[in-house]
Amino acid sequence: DTGVSQDPRHKITKRGQNVTFRCDPISEHNRLYWYRQTLGQGPEFLTYFQNEAQLEKSRLLSDRFSAERPKGSFSTLEIQRTEQGDSAMYLCASSFTASGRTQYFGPGTRLTVL
Amino acid sequence: KQEVTQIPAALSVPEGENLVLNCSFTDSAIYNLQWFRQDPGKGLTSLLLIQSSQREQTSGRLNASLDKSSGRSTLYIAASQPGDSATYLCAVFHRGGADGLTFGKGTHLIIQP
Repeated sequence: DTGVSQDPRHKITKRGQNVTFRCDPISEHNRLYWYRQTLGQGPEFLTYFQNEAQLEKSRLLSDRFSAERPKGSFSTLEIQRTEQGDSAMYLCASSFTASGRTQYFGPGTRLTVL
Repeated sequence: KQEVTQIPAALSVPEGENLVLNCSFTDSAIYNLQWFRQDPGKGLTSLLLIQSSQREQTSGRLNASLDKSSGRSTLYIAASQPGDSATYLCAVFHRGGADGLTFGKGTHLIIQP
């Protein structure tokens, strides 16, 4: 059973540096979501893809954030010029097409910005 | 804007007790409601998904109910075990809103051996 995988699991960076995270969804899933979770809070929606098309972006996704899913398989989330406020767990989830299907989450990437 | 609230924020009970976790949401226009479990520093594990047309779902010792009209859901855990200790998150998939889940802050559950 190959679930959703994310890489790296942990990332420590200095303020101002760029970082990139990768997510590999469950292979049959068309939809891929990115969420951000800070300590003591529930995850917050950032953006999602259906196949290679990015269909929606939250207002939480500032201009420093960019996400891609070039071939409709894996996705990358890049943060440019990181700030301490970007420190969080970044979670990826995937599901079949059609709203309301179960979303399956990966283990997350823990980002610490010093 | 859809808002999800979970009560209590934390709960500690002796092993073997039955317990209920509560979730409420402000907008009843949802596709479904999903309960997740999160262990410290880990991702989310899906426990139960209830479609908007359903009233409840069961999996093993877990039972989740949904009252869409009143904007409420409960997660019932029977015969709790120390391995049930985790944070439980409730999330709704909202019609007409951002096409992602809206989460509560979770209930941190500790089962004492």
